[in-house]
Amino acid sequence: NAGVMQNPRHLVRRRGQEARLRCSPMKGHSHVYWYRQLPEEGLKFMVYLQKENIIDESGMPKERFSAEFPKEGPSILRIQQVVRGDSAAYFCASSPSGTRNTEAFFGQGTRLTVV
Amino acid sequence: DQQVKQNSPSLSVQEGRISILNCDYTNSMFDYFLWYKKYPAEGPTFLISISSIKDKNEDGRFTVFLNKSAKHLSLHIVPSQPGDSAVYFCAENAGNMLTFGGGTRLMVKP
Repeated sequence: NAGVMQNPRHLVRRRGQEARLRCSPMKGHSHVYWYRQLPEEGLKFMVYLQKENIIDESGMPKERFSAEFPKEGPSILRIQQVVRGDSAAYFCASSPSGTRNTEAFFGQGTRLTVV
Repeated sequence: DQQVKQNSPSLSVQEGRISILNCDYTNSMFDYFLWYKKYPAEGPTFLISISSIKDKNEDGRFTVFLNKSAKHLSLHIVPSQPGDSAVYFCAENAGNMLTFGGGTRLMVKP
């Protein structure tokens, strides 16, 4: 049973470009979470999705960031017009149900560098 | 306002001794806490959890203690091994998400 798969592992974008980060949850998991880790900080929640639905996006910046989890295919975190402050490690996690009284399993992350 | 705090950014311990990592939280609404371990350039790996109906949960060398009145939890690793060297995050289940502390970097010296 493969774990949570994220790609790419490393992504370099110039300021103003778009970044697309992909996450395939563990088999049988229909709940996906995106977290961001800035240098020397803890992980900060961004968004929680189930198939075709955004359940909680309270941690997402209001502009330039969007996320989706289509019926088929991976979850996508999209950052438009990237700026240097977007440079961070972005982690995806999945769980079979909500995180209520259960753990989420994390992928290895995508390290975004904006130059 | 940080709801989950790990006040020690780093901890150094001799191999074979006990490592104690601490975590404080402010919100009593949530009742499930987790510890994750993270190596550089990898994602967090789940270690151990505890529900508020318990004050202790043990799994091999890892034990988590929960003190609800003090809003404090701790992770004990005994005996510590060099392979335990990593960053440890405590997390609070906050409904739809996990709220993480800032992490403690544990270094276990041979």
